Amino acid sequence: SQQGEEDPQALSIQEGENATMNCSYKTSINNLQWYRQNSGRGLVHLILIRSNEREKHSGRLRVTLDTSKKSSSLLITASRAADTASYFCATSAGNTPLVFGKGTRLSVIA
Amino acid sequence: DAGVIQSPRHEVTEMGQEVTLRCKPISGHNSLFWYRQTMMRGLELLIYFNNNVPIDDSGMPEDRFSAKMPNASFSTLKIQPSEPRDSAVYFCASGGYGWGNEQFFGPGTRLTVL
Repeated sequence: SQQGEEDPQALSIQEGENATMNCSYKTSINNLQWYRQNSGRGLVHLILIRSNEREKHSGRLRVTLDTSKKSSSLLITASRAADTASYFCATSAGNTPLVFGKGTRLSVIA
Repeated sequence: DAGVIQSPRHEVTEMGQEVTLRCKPISGHNSLFWYRQTMMRGLELLIYFNNNVPIDDSGMPEDRFSAKMPNASFSTLKIQPSEPRDSAVYFCASGGYGWGNEQFFGPGTRLTVL
C-alpha cells in the first residue's frame, strides 16, 4: 500500500513554537499533499509537493520531501491557537486517487 | 463558488431505515469521491467517479451501500438498510481532471444510526 503514515499521532505545543509533523509512505509517488481538518469540518488542502521537488513554502508552512527515504515533513512556524487541527498527508501515484494517512492531531496552547 | 455542498449535515435514524446522503460537487470538476471517517478506521475511500462514471467501488463496505451520479452536478450515497456500525461522518470531495490533483471536501454529513 502507498498509504502515508503520519508521525506523531498527536502533538501539543505552546503558541509561538514550531510544529513538525512527518509522513512516511511505501511506494513511488507523483506528488504528496498536506491537508488540514478542523474539528467538525471537511479537509482543506494546504500544499502540494511534486516528486521532483525537495522543498516548498507557503506562508508559515514549509514542506520537505525526501523520495529516497519515502518521507515528507510539514513544518508550521510560529504556531497559533488557530492552527489547532488534524493534519493529513496524502500521496498520489499513477492513475489512482489520493491515499490519505490517519493524521496528526495538533494542539496549540495559548 | 460555494464549494462542495452536502446534505443533510446531520442525520439520525434508526437501524433498518434507508439513508440517502447528497452531494453537489464544484462546477467543472471531473472527479467525485465519497469518503467515510471514523475514529477507528480514519478516512476511508468508498467510491469514486470520473465524468459521472463509477470507476472503483471496491471501498464500499457491503452491498447495503450504493452510490450514483446521474449528472455532473449531483451524487447520492445510499445505505439500505442502515446499521449502527454505519455511524460515521461521510464526506464528498471533488477534483479536477487527473487523479493526483487537489481535492475539495464538503463539510460532511454526520450519520448516527440508533
